[in-house]
Amino acid sequence: EVVLTQSPGTLSLSPGERATLSCRASQSVSSTYLAWYQQKPGQAPRLLIYGASSRATGIPDRFSGSGSGTDFTLTISRLEPEDFAVYFCQHYSTSPMYTFGQGTKLEIK
Amino acid sequence: EVQLVESGGALAQPGGSLRLSCAASSFTFQNFAMGWVRQAPGKGLEWVSSVNGAGGRTHYADSVKGRFTVSRDNSKNTLYLQMNNLRTDDTAIYYCARGGGEFDYWGRGTLVVVSS
Repeated sequence: EVVLTQSPGTLSLSPGERATLSCRASQSVSSTYLAWYQQKPGQAPRLLIYGASSRATGIPDRFSGSGSGTDFTLTISRLEPEDFAVYFCQHYSTSPMYTFGQGTKLEIK
Repeated sequence: EVQLVESGGALAQPGGSLRLSCAASSFTFQNFAMGWVRQAPGKGLEWVSSVNGAGGRTHYADSVKGRFTVSRDNSKNTLYLQMNNLRTDDTAIYYCARGGGEFDYWGRGTLVVVSS
């Protein structure tokens, strides 16, 4: 079973800054099956990135995903006030088994 | 616009049962795999179960295997989760979500509380 470890646990930044969130897999995984979600308080998760680097429908281009193998990154180029939320990475295997990281909380500094 | 609306969440006793429903609209339901994902209070996301578009292939997390059953009625555009032998650690918001890999649309969730 793949374990996803996200870092940092909490990231404190100001609007306009660049955010870099990490997701590390316990073993090499296919980037095809790596996704990122955003969740705001009281709301359902929203798909941001799939296939490690493809933006989902309606997602602004300040969000980008990258990585391969065991190391994946979600980058928010210039933080907007609405971007402060919790972010989860997710891996899907063909078993199938879906694994989520524990989340990174992006908070306003 | 794709909509997923869960219902059926409630307070249940340990050992009890609940049936969750997820009504889907604005897409061809039978063409998509569907899943259930839960989130315990203040915790992260945990995949629970998935089913393929036809309903013939189902998959479960180890934590619910043998207790939960996922099914779908494509004539009613509805996904179900039958939860038996509930435990206190099943307490969570249960989301239904569309997809067989990444989940591209999510419902708002329904709260299940298991407590005596």
